[in-house]
Amino acid sequence: GENVEQHPSTLSVQEGDSAVIKCTYSDSASNYFPWYKQELGKRPQLIIDIRSNVGEKKDQRIAVTLNKTAKHFSLHITETQPEDSAVYFCAATAVGNAGNMLTFGGGTRLMVKP
Amino acid sequence: EAQVTQNPRYLITVTGKKLTVTCSQNMNHEYMSWYRQDPGLGLRQIYYSMNVEVTDKGDVPEGYKVSRKEKRNFPLILESPSPNQTSLYFCASSFSRGGNTIYFGEGSWLTVV
Repeated sequence: GENVEQHPSTLSVQEGDSAVIKCTYSDSASNYFPWYKQELGKRPQLIIDIRSNVGEKKDQRIAVTLNKTAKHFSLHITETQPEDSAVYFCAATAVGNAGNMLTFGGGTRLMVKP
Repeated sequence: EAQVTQNPRYLITVTGKKLTVTCSQNMNHEYMSWYRQDPGLGLRQIYYSMNVEVTDKGDVPEGYKVSRKEKRNFPLILESPSPNQTSLYFCASSFSRGGNTIYFGEGSWLTVV
């Protein structure tokens, strides 16, 4: 089955700096890679996703890049703000996968210092 | 409003006392799933269901049961809870198969003493 590893487990940045979180996956059949943000005590919420037919996707201050050859994908947050502080999870699955729909990474706790 | 609703949100129970965590979605999603979240281990899937009367094991099914008698409901049953089942539980749903946005419930904090 799929195995997703996420690094770093914690990340502290100064407000205004950029943050990068990296994930690797094992199953070459995976072709859908969402990122979830989980604020303290709340549910995970989708913030951006990417499919394997593109190498990069942006949404305002958030971008995700994908390297299918190397089986890794990354989340980039620019101009970080205190409200970006949360736990971020990457995930992977194969579109059409009838089984374990999403395999999650272990999470990254991002702390943005004012 | 589209939502996934779990109950109870918080529960402290004793070892061996059967409990059920309910989950209901109002989006007509075929797919529903249960995850548990533990520190340092991320989100791990317990059970999932592709449609009514169709359920299957996820990564960590031991000690849990589920049922899917109606499309909107997917209860999680702990027949004989043990302290290692103390965790934060999330129900989730989506349309069809992988690649569709997954909607999570608000979570259920379960403590087994």
